[in-house]
Amino acid sequence: AQSVTQPDIHITVSEGASLELRCNYSYGATPYLFWYVQSPGQGLQLLLKYFSGDTLVQGIKGFEAEFKRSQSSFNLRKPSVHWSDAAEYFCAACPNAGNNRKLIWGLGTSLAVNP
Amino acid sequence: GAVVSQHPSWVICKSGTSVKIECRSLDFQATTMFWYRQFPKQSLMLMATSNEGSKATYEQGVEKDKFLINHASLTLSTLTVTSAHPEDSSFYICSAAPTGTGVNEQFFGPGTRLTVL
Repeated sequence: AQSVTQPDIHITVSEGASLELRCNYSYGATPYLFWYVQSPGQGLQLLLKYFSGDTLVQGIKGFEAEFKRSQSSFNLRKPSVHWSDAAEYFCAACPNAGNNRKLIWGLGTSLAVNP
Repeated sequence: GAVVSQHPSWVICKSGTSVKIECRSLDFQATTMFWYRQFPKQSLMLMATSNEGSKATYEQGVEKDKFLINHASLTLSTLTVTSAHPEDSSFYICSAAPTGTGVNEQFFGPGTRLTVL
């Protein structure tokens, strides 16, 4: 069955430290991959997406993600975390062909940032 | 571009009443819209896929008679929670997939927080 796994439920980092949030997918073929951020009480904001091509994807707010086919992973990274990055982060995937746009979601990783 | 709005942003209602939530794509057309439900500190749960001009497709376990979806135009889908009960209190989020642009992603509304007393 298709699935997206975010192994870390909660992560705490210090401000200025680097960050990596893990995401693994299980699909028949390489899906389209997304990372979203949700701040408390807010809607979802797309950080970045991978459709094809360069496996290192740059997003907004200084985030990047690397697609690794061999590991079925799409980990999100940021070299230096800011306090405002504290939020819930969701990885999601959808099929890369056809009209099915239905997203499969990870359970999310809650990020806390210590001053 | 690619803005999706939801109205209302929050609503409080009495148990037994019905509540309608609107989802609009403001600057693009969307044949397909999705309705999600999110409980506190949890991931999004897809409730149904709304297709313009046809019946919605509901996910397993979602009562179609309780959560009525209407997608009457290419820019508007509505979710009506009928005979709401306190357990229906949740954060409801819609998303819209642009039509005919080849853009394979969804754009999300800001969500509607429903509280049923």
